[in-house]
Amino acid sequence: GENVEQHPSTLSVQEGDSAVIKCTYSDSASNYFPWYKQELGKRPQLIIDIRSNVGEKKDQRIAVTLNKTAKHFSLHITETQPEDSAVYFCAAMSSNDYKLSFGAGTTVTVRA
Amino acid sequence: GAGVSQSPSNKVTEKGKDVELRCDPISGHTALYWYRQSLGQGLEFLIYFQGNSAPDKSGLPSDRFSAERTGGSVSTLTIQRTQQEDSAVYLCASSLTGTGSGYEQYFGPGTRLTVT
Repeated sequence: GENVEQHPSTLSVQEGDSAVIKCTYSDSASNYFPWYKQELGKRPQLIIDIRSNVGEKKDQRIAVTLNKTAKHFSLHITETQPEDSAVYFCAAMSSNDYKLSFGAGTTVTVRA
Repeated sequence: GAGVSQSPSNKVTEKGKDVELRCDPISGHTALYWYRQSLGQGLEFLIYFQGNSAPDKSGLPSDRFSAERTGGSVSTLTIQRTQQEDSAVYLCASSLTGTGSGYEQYFGPGTRLTVT
């Protein structure tokens, strides 16, 4: 099955700086890579996703890059704000079983 | 429209008792997933329903766990003879379809289960 590793587990950044979270996956059949944000006590919510036919996708201050050869993908948050503080999860879905495998999460803290 | 709903929001039960957790997916969504999230941890896949196909139960941790989905809509996750290690938040998610290149999964608010 798919195995997703996520780093770092915690990340503290100064407001206005950028934050980068990296994930690797093991199943070469994976073709869908969403990122979820989970605020304390809330449900996970999709913030951006990318499919394997593109290498980069942007949505305002958030961008995701995908390197299929190296089997890794990254989340980039620019101009961080206090409301970006949350736990972020990467995930990968294999075309073999259509299940999402999640990374362990990154706790992001944006210091004002 | 209405999102994914789950009930109860909180459940406290004694060790050894059975519990049932309910999930109402978004109308028209054919795929439904159950996950477990222990405190401070990631999301652990439990089971996946897609339309009328046989469910993928590969993530269920033991035979004390079972789930069903009636009429392709509402799903119930049942845990028999609960143990303290079953304490966690149980999250349900649905998507328009689970096949193809992948579709956004919408999560419910979760049921926080505490086994005393």
